[in-house]
Amino acid sequence: NAGVTQTPKFQVLKTGQSMTLQCAQDMNHEYMSWYRQDPGMGLRLIHYSVGAGITDQGEVPNGYNVSRSTTEDFPLRLLSAAPSQTSVYFCASSNRDRGYEQYFGPGTRLTVT
Amino acid sequence: TQLLEQSPQFLSIQEGENLTVYCNSSSVFSSLQWYRQEPGEGPVLLVTVVTGGEVKKLKRLTFQFGDARKDSSLHITAAQPGDTGLYLCAGVKGYQKVTFGTGTKLQVIP
Repeated sequence: NAGVTQTPKFQVLKTGQSMTLQCAQDMNHEYMSWYRQDPGMGLRLIHYSVGAGITDQGEVPNGYNVSRSTTEDFPLRLLSAAPSQTSVYFCASSNRDRGYEQYFGPGTRLTVT
Repeated sequence: TQLLEQSPQFLSIQEGENLTVYCNSSSVFSSLQWYRQEPGEGPVLLVTVVTGGEVKKLKRLTFQFGDARKDSSLHITAAQPGDTGLYLCAGVKGYQKVTFGTGTKLQVIP
């Protein structure tokens, strides 16, 4: 199993550009989440999904969109990039049966200039 | 609002020393998870504690869940350079409500 995969690994955007961060998991997990990690802030939840077709907002959702058309994929869209969105983004998947233990991807380092 | 506070934020120690990292909250959690993250990688789960007062050991690492299920500690005995990393606690309130702590960055000097 590949686990959780994310692409790209690195990305530089100009202010106002849009892009999609890809995330896929092959563990048949119900739940998928997107976090951002900033120095001194830990991991903050952006959006999450409890199954295909169902998404909800986390702690810091503004400026981001998500969709979940399949169990495997959970892309994160930045609508109009801003310098405040410079961060490292992690996708994670989990299952209720495993007590919501999070399996993380390798992350995407995004810089917005 | 940060529900989980970790202390200390940074810790630099010599190989062989012992250390304790704390994770505190005013909220009650159904379980608490500990992760370790190495530079350039995603966090990896170390352990989950579920019952108040529970103690779990993972080789030289000892994890304890507070009796009231509001806090937890991680104790490392005889730290090794391989223990270097960012340690994160995460509280679970059920239904995918996982809140991460602020993190403790540990450096073990050979």
